[in-house]
Amino acid sequence: GENVEQHPSTLSVQEGDSAVIKCTYSDSASNYFPWYKQELGKRPQLIIDIRSNVGEKKDQRIAVTLNKTAKHFSLHITETQPEDSAVYFCAASPLYGNNRLAFGKGNQVVVIP
Amino acid sequence: DTGVSQDPRHKITKRGQNVTFRCDPISEHNRLYWYRQTLGQGPEFLTYFQNEAQLEKSRLLSDRFSAERPKGSFSTLEIQRTEQGDSAMYLCASSLTTDYYNEQFFGPGTRLTVL
Repeated sequence: GENVEQHPSTLSVQEGDSAVIKCTYSDSASNYFPWYKQELGKRPQLIIDIRSNVGEKKDQRIAVTLNKTAKHFSLHITETQPEDSAVYFCAASPLYGNNRLAFGKGNQVVVIP
Repeated sequence: DTGVSQDPRHKITKRGQNVTFRCDPISEHNRLYWYRQTLGQGPEFLTYFQNEAQLEKSRLLSDRFSAERPKGSFSTLEIQRTEQGDSAMYLCASSLTTDYYNEQFFGPGTRLTVL
C-alpha cells in the first residue's frame, strides 16, 4: 500500500517568515495530494490539494508543489502568522477506486510572534 | 451545522465492554470513511462505504470491529470486547466522489479511552 513520509516533524518559524513542509510517497498510482491542518482538539481541515496533472497550485499565502518523477510534494506557507500554528498532515490517494487517504505522521508548525 | 457530525465526542469504557459510535455525513455525500488517529500520528484508514455498501476494510480492522451504513446515510462503528489498544480518536469523513473530485470532509471525532 501507499506509504507517505513527512519531514521535518517539528518546525519553528518567526512570524512573517516562510515555512516549508515536504512529503514523499511511494505508490505511483497516487494522483491526489491534499494537505490538512489540524488545530489542537479539532478536526483535520483541508487547506489545499493538488492533482497529478499540475505541478503547482497557490491559494493566497499557501502553495503546494508536486514532483511526480521524484514522488514528492511540498507545502509552502508565506508570511506566517500565529494562527498558522498547528499540525499539518499531507496525504496521498488515487483519484479512482477507493480514494482512501494515506496520511503522513504530521508536522507541528510553531509560529513565534 | 451542515458539516460531518459524530456522536459521542468522548467515550470512556472499561476493557471488555462494547462501544458504538455514530457518524452523520454531509447530506448527499455518497462516500463515508472511518479513520483512527492516535497521539502524534496521522489518521489511519479503517473502512469505507459507497452509499450503503462497505467496499473495503483495512487489516487494522480486527474481527471485533464492525461498521454499517444501513440506508446510505449515517454510519455506525461498533467495537466489541474493547482493549486498551483501541484507545484512540475515531474520525469519520465523507465525500461526494466523482471521477475528478473527492475532497474528504472530516467530523470532530470520537475520543475513546479504554481503562
